[in-house]
Amino acid sequence: QQQVKQSPQSLIVQKGGISIINCAYENTAFDYFPWYQQFPGKGPALLIAIRPDVSEKKEGRFTISFNKSAKQFSLHIMDSQPGDSATYFCAASNRYGGSQGNLIFGKGTKLSVKP
Amino acid sequence: EPEVTQTPSHQVTQMGQEVILRCVPISNHLYFYWYRQILGQKVEFLVSFYNNEISEKSEIFDDQFSVERPDGSNFTLKIRSTKLEDSAMYFCASHDRNLYGYTFGSGTRLTVV
Repeated sequence: QQQVKQSPQSLIVQKGGISIINCAYENTAFDYFPWYQQFPGKGPALLIAIRPDVSEKKEGRFTISFNKSAKQFSLHIMDSQPGDSATYFCAASNRYGGSQGNLIFGKGTKLSVKP
Repeated sequence: EPEVTQTPSHQVTQMGQEVILRCVPISNHLYFYWYRQILGQKVEFLVSFYNNEISEKSEIFDDQFSVERPDGSNFTLKIRSTKLEDSAMYFCASHDRNLYGYTFGSGTRLTVV
């Protein structure tokens, strides 16, 4: 119930291409879905987040697509750049439940963008 | 941009010793967390703290762990008697109401030898 499943484990994309990372969850009480970017030796940095009342959110080259009925959400990185090479984690949380704010993370996707 | 500050960045300790990891959350935030990330694995929730008390803790957060907010700015994680398997990156995080501004620190790499 508390798991967030993330795929793929690793991804190689050419510069300028689209990177797509997918996540699925089971707990229908989750109502906050952030994506974090992590560089080696650094903490996770919030990229973009979505609430379940919208199906898509875009910030610059990063877009979250959210499918509430399928309990899935994905991150699209348009025009991928070598500087985007990092590990990406999806996460989920229930803002108002007993575990308020505790983020459940996916296992991460290591993205490599080739020049 | 406001930051969550963690010290030290790297701590090496002998098995069985006590360690204290320190964090300064963003000043107007109300909710504080510790997470752990074993090398190459996902980030795992340890404990949440609000209104000067623990809100929730995971099964990882056993009696060897404790947290404290000794003053208005610091938030600490203490491991009483470290084990080899406690070796990991420990991240502090904080946010305002409704998860606004959920920010992680750069972490403390704990190595237990």
